[in-house]
Amino acid sequence: AQRVTQPEKLLSVFKGAPVELKCNYSYSGSPELFWYVQYSRQRLQLLLRHISRESIKGFTADLNKGETSFHLKKPFAQEEDSAMYYCALKASGSRLTFGEGTQLTVNP
Amino acid sequence: GAGVSQTPSNKVTEKGKYVELRCDPISGHTALYWYRQSLGQGPEFLIYFQGTGAADDSGLPNDRFFAVRPEGSVSTLKIQRTERGDSAVYLCASSLSGSYNSPLHFGNGTRLTVT
Repeated sequence: AQRVTQPEKLLSVFKGAPVELKCNYSYSGSPELFWYVQYSRQRLQLLLRHISRESIKGFTADLNKGETSFHLKKPFAQEEDSAMYYCALKASGSRLTFGEGTQLTVNP
Repeated sequence: GAGVSQTPSNKVTEKGKYVELRCDPISGHTALYWYRQSLGQGPEFLIYFQGTGAADDSGLPNDRFFAVRPEGSVSTLKIQRTERGDSAVYLCASSLSGSYNSPLHFGNGTRLTVT
């Protein structure tokens, strides 16, 4: 069975500081990993996916199969980055397994 | 264009009652998903439709929960004999095809409270 762990429920940083949101997963096959974000009073939306190797809003995430991690990083956090972030894994089939989420607060 | 629409946005019901939650997916999206999110938790998969058929219903917690999508568009999640533990936000999502390259688009959810 697959599992996604986000060890930090809350993360607080100052504007301009680097930020890293941790995500670890357990799955025996080749996973597809995603980060979803939910801004205040908005719906859950896709931020980025590992296979695209893209940078969205300055965020990047690298899949590390050896450490089974998919941490989300941004070198300089902005106040508008404050949101709830969910790491998610797609194993077999089409279902996504989500982590419990990390609430990021970027202070001015 | 319009996103995924869920109605009602809030539903309060008494223990033991029956409820229906509705989801209108994005037009043309063949894949539709229901998730449940309890307080402080991430979304938990319930069921996935491809077209009219339930391709994966393994996330439904018990036989009190049932979902339909008779015409391959609108879906209804039905909960019988509601219990206080059913209180959660029920999220619906749709995607163009259900494949990897087809990201999920979520609705705003229905907040169900069972008293």
